[in-house]
Amino acid sequence: TQLLEQSPQFLSIQEGENLTVYCNSSSVFSSLQWYRQEPGEGPVLLVTVVTGGEVKKLKRLTFQFGDARKDSSLHITAAQTGDTGLYLCAGGGGANSKLTFGKGITLSVRP
Amino acid sequence: EAGVVQSPRYKIIEKKQPVAFWCNPISGHNTLYWYLQNLGQGPELLIRYENEEAVDDSQLPKDRFSAERLKGVDSTLKIQPAELGDSAVYLCASSLGYGQPYQETQYFGPGTRLLVL
Repeated sequence: TQLLEQSPQFLSIQEGENLTVYCNSSSVFSSLQWYRQEPGEGPVLLVTVVTGGEVKKLKRLTFQFGDARKDSSLHITAAQTGDTGLYLCAGGGGANSKLTFGKGITLSVRP
Repeated sequence: EAGVVQSPRYKIIEKKQPVAFWCNPISGHNTLYWYLQNLGQGPELLIRYENEEAVDDSQLPKDRFSAERLKGVDSTLKIQPAELGDSAVYLCASSLGYGQPYQETQYFGPGTRLLVL
């Protein structure tokens, strides 16, 4: 079973601060996705990374896939209150071709 | 363009009762997924359809759960009988279905929140 551990589990920061959160596994993934989920809604895909060492930027969000494709990080620069939500990472690949989700990181950005 | 539609949004039932959830995927999406999300957890795949064929139902508890996707469009997920532990959010997602499921963009619906008393 492929497991993804996300850390920290909860994070509360002030608007304007920077933050980095992590998604780690002992398994190698063919790809890794990050989603954001708001209360009462389904997850929304932010990014997919497929190459070891790959870095993708989405405005103030920077995603990195580890060289060994076992881990990933998400860095947010100058957080805004609209960044509040549950951030899920999901790894995919292997024989079953399905996504395995982590438990998520609950981010709260205070005004 | 309309997103993934799910109904009902909320459902409260007593244990041992049956319940059904309905999903209408994005038009043109061949792959449809049903996920279970418990409080404080990430979604867990229950079943994946490619058109009308269930290609991965290994995580579906078949003694009480069933699903169908007639004509390869809408889908229904049923629980009979429901147990207390089935209280969760049931998410439906769809994707184009032209690539690997774990690399495609999956579009999620808002989910059905089930409470079993």
